[in-house]
Amino acid sequence: GESVGLHLPTLSVQEGDNSIINCAYSNSASDYFIWYKQESGKGPQFIIDIRSNMDKRQGQRVTVLLNKTVKHLSLQIAATQPGDSAVYFCAENNAGNNRKLIWGLGTSLAVNP
Amino acid sequence: EAQVTQNPRYLITVTGKKLTVTCSQNMNHEYMSWYRQDPGLGLRQIYYSMNVEVTDKGDVPEGYKVSRKEKRNFPLILESPSPNQTSLYFCASSRDRGKEKLFFGSGTQLSVL
Repeated sequence: GESVGLHLPTLSVQEGDNSIINCAYSNSASDYFIWYKQESGKGPQFIIDIRSNMDKRQGQRVTVLLNKTVKHLSLQIAATQPGDSAVYFCAENNAGNNRKLIWGLGTSLAVNP
Repeated sequence: EAQVTQNPRYLITVTGKKLTVTCSQNMNHEYMSWYRQDPGLGLRQIYYSMNVEVTDKGDVPEGYKVSRKEKRNFPLILESPSPNQTSLYFCASSRDRGKEKLFFGSGTQLSVL
């Protein structure tokens, strides 16, 4: 039969706008965070990571912000392009759980031309 | 080119017929892992390996086996597949568990009839 699960949150943006994808993490002891992009029919692809001794890290067109006070992580994509359409996953881990990655369920980003 | 290679890409089989999904990485990574991805449930870890001859259960190991006889290869074995193992499977590798980015394969879509 058909499985029942959570519907994936969807963010719809216009091409050229900035996108912000949010992630709430669960463990205040987590010290490593990572974002992945998964395009349709492909495996997840690393985008950017950040360690807990930083609040912000920038890559090419992407910025990750970490707010440890409220256990919140965000991925900002500047000048969003059609090729950015994908599902984005955040993940966290810490030494206390044997470095096991805890994955979010993902956010679907749709870029409108 | 650094990559994780999984085969086959698509597989349709019948209940009870043993199958193996192969995974190979060319980056000399010590850590390798298998995930399954189901709609609404995100990525769930099946098994992982910290190094040659060292394997451990993930979150959903029932019905699966793995082996790590060589550093580069980490096959996933389904001794007696059942329909609830119909899923999208990903192999991944990294230099170190949880502290380095994971490289994913392209995925294996398995259907068990």
